[in-house]
Amino acid sequence: DQQVKQNSPSLSVQEGRISILNCDYTNSMFDYFLWYKKYPAEGPTFLISISSIKDKNEDGRFTVFLNKSAKHLSLHIVPSQPGDSAVYFCAASPSNAGGTSYGKLTFGQGTILTVHP
Amino acid sequence: NAGVTQTPKFRVLKTGQSMTLLCAQDMNHEYMYWYRQDPGMGLRLIHYSVGEGTTAKGEVPDGYNVSRLKKQNFLLGLESAAPSQTSVYFCASSYDGLETQYFGPGTRLLVL
Repeated sequence: DQQVKQNSPSLSVQEGRISILNCDYTNSMFDYFLWYKKYPAEGPTFLISISSIKDKNEDGRFTVFLNKSAKHLSLHIVPSQPGDSAVYFCAASPSNAGGTSYGKLTFGQGTILTVHP
Repeated sequence: NAGVTQTPKFRVLKTGQSMTLLCAQDMNHEYMYWYRQDPGMGLRLIHYSVGEGTTAKGEVPDGYNVSRLKKQNFLLGLESAAPSQTSVYFCASSYDGLETQYFGPGTRLLVL
């Protein structure tokens, strides 16, 4: 049972345009969401996160939107650059109330983003 | 700072052989994690540790054991490797389980 889903295996965009990567989740206990970027032969690196008390978080060219009622989040990259070409993973963590989540992340399958010059 | 390092980078095993993957971090992080990444599956948590001397099971713990004898090291063991354990293994650490996780470069394991 895939609790975090990225239904688009790949996305191709032109340099300078917007990239939109989508992620859906099913577990209502998730309340902290992260995006990681991964280049080939490297480990994932943290990109941006959002808590369930917010619906938007922005960091430079990257913005994450959260729609709790739809259990959906998206990552917007504007403008897209060729160096953004990588695999993007969405991840979710349950509430850390009582200190029981321990940062355990559930990842989506990943979306391969290709930005063409 | 080296961050999170993993040893070895690549290994080929025969079915039934054993091996240990080593993860080391120099950021004084309390929490450490082992994940495996398989095609179309994303990363799945194998085991994790919330501090020196502690370990706990993740989503896919069967066939693996772990130890955290020192705060900076987290070892993942395969006692009897199976082809189903062919995967890329990533180690990660975080300061207190609330912060983001920092990942190592991965170990590619092929079990024949």
